[in-house]
Amino acid sequence: NAGVTQTPKFRVLKTGQSMTLLCAQDMNHEYMYWYRQDPGMGLRLIHYSVGEGTTAKGEVPDGYNVSRLKKQNFLLGLESAAPSQTSVYFCASSSGTSYSNEQFFGPGTRLTVL
Amino acid sequence: GDSVTQMEGPVTLSEEACLTINCTYTATGYPSLFWYVQYPGEGLQLLLKATKADDKGSNKGFEATYRKETTSFHLEKGSVQVSDSAVYFCALDTGFQKLVFGTGTRLLVSP
Repeated sequence: NAGVTQTPKFRVLKTGQSMTLLCAQDMNHEYMYWYRQDPGMGLRLIHYSVGEGTTAKGEVPDGYNVSRLKKQNFLLGLESAAPSQTSVYFCASSSGTSYSNEQFFGPGTRLTVL
Repeated sequence: GDSVTQMEGPVTLSEEACLTINCTYTATGYPSLFWYVQYPGEGLQLLLKATKADDKGSNKGFEATYRKETTSFHLEKGSVQVSDSAVYFCALDTGFQKLVFGTGTRLLVSP
């Protein structure tokens, strides 16, 4: 099992450009999440999904969109990148059951917006 | 809202020293509590968890006890190793499958 994978690993964008980050999991998990990690702020939830075809806003959703067309994939889009979106982005997944709510994380994508 | 507060780092220790990283939380209801660890260049991975008051989570020599009366979940290890150098995150889940993380504490262990 590969677990949770993310592509790309690194990306540099110019202000105003768009991009999509891809997250894939092979554990048949229902729930998937996108976080951003910034120095001194821990991880903050951007968007999440409780199943195929569903998405919901997290703590810091502005400037991002997501889609969950297939159960195993969760895409994070930036339509018009801004320097404030420079961060490390982590995807995670969990089974969604009450007593197995461990989240499994991908290795992260380091995004720099110039 | 729900929140997690953990001690600022870095925490610098010599090998075989004792470790305590403090974590306190504010939450409505009865959250599950977690410690996640992030090794350099990697994503987070679960270290241990506790789902109700007085539960003790343990793994790889690390322990944490869910203290409802003090709303705390401090991470402890009796003898740290260089390989324990990482960033440690305390987190809570109030039952909606969403985690609230602390800011992280970097641990540096020297030989």
